[in-house]
Amino acid sequence: DAGITQSPRYKITETGRQVTLMCHQTWSHSYMFWYRQDLGHGLRLIYYSAAADITDKGEVPDGYVVSRSKTENFPLTLESATRSQTSVYFCASRGSLEAFFGQGTRLTVV
Amino acid sequence: SQQGEEDPQALSIQEGENATMNCSYKTSINNLQWYRQNSGRGLVHLILIRSNEREKHSGRLRVTLDTSKKSSSLLITASRAADTASYFCATGEMNTGFQKLVFGTGTRLLVSP
Repeated sequence: DAGITQSPRYKITETGRQVTLMCHQTWSHSYMFWYRQDLGHGLRLIYYSAAADITDKGEVPDGYVVSRSKTENFPLTLESATRSQTSVYFCASRGSLEAFFGQGTRLTVV
Repeated sequence: SQQGEEDPQALSIQEGENATMNCSYKTSINNLQWYRQNSGRGLVHLILIRSNEREKHSGRLRVTLDTSKKSSSLLITASRAADTASYFCATGEMNTGFQKLVFGTGTRLLVSP
C-alpha cells in the first residue's frame, strides 16, 4: 500500500529498555522526520533526515538515535527509555513541499 | 524552541460561524503551511502559502501571510462540526534550506452543532 506507515501503533515498555519505532514510506521522499507530541507542547522535532545516510538533530534529540540506511525507512530508537519519553510519536516524509504523516505510535514507558 | 506559535490555544464556536486562528513565527521563511489533526490521527496538509503571496484560498479556507509581522492567519468559513480538530502552522527553517519543518503548538477548534 502506498503511503507512510508506523509500527507498532501502541507500545508499553519498561524504564531502561531499548525500543525501536519503525517508519516506512513508499514514495521515495528525500526528507523524513520524527516528532513527538505532548500536551501543551504541540509537535517537537526529534530528528530529521535529508536522504539516506544523512541525519540531523531537531529540537529534542537527547535520548534518541536514528538511522537511515535506505530511503524508505527511518527507524527511531530509544536507547534506554525513560518515563519522560512517554509520548505519541509521529513520523513524516516530505517530497517537495507538503509533509505526509503516519498514524503515530503511542509509547508508554512504565 | 518551536518556530510557530498559534493563537488562540483553543476556540469554541457554533456551526455556521467563521473560525480564525493565528500563527506567529520567528525567522525568515519561504513558505508557511497549515495542517489539521483529528483526534488520535496524524496531521494532514491543508494549504500552503509562499512568502511572496499575501492571501490564498482553498474551498472554505482562507490563509493570509504578513511577512513584515511574521504572522499568518487561517480562516475557516461556515464551520461544520466535522471541522473540529487541532490546527497547526509549520515553516521551514532558513538555516536548513527551509527543509527542516517545524510546527507550532496548535489551536484546538471545537465546532458545536
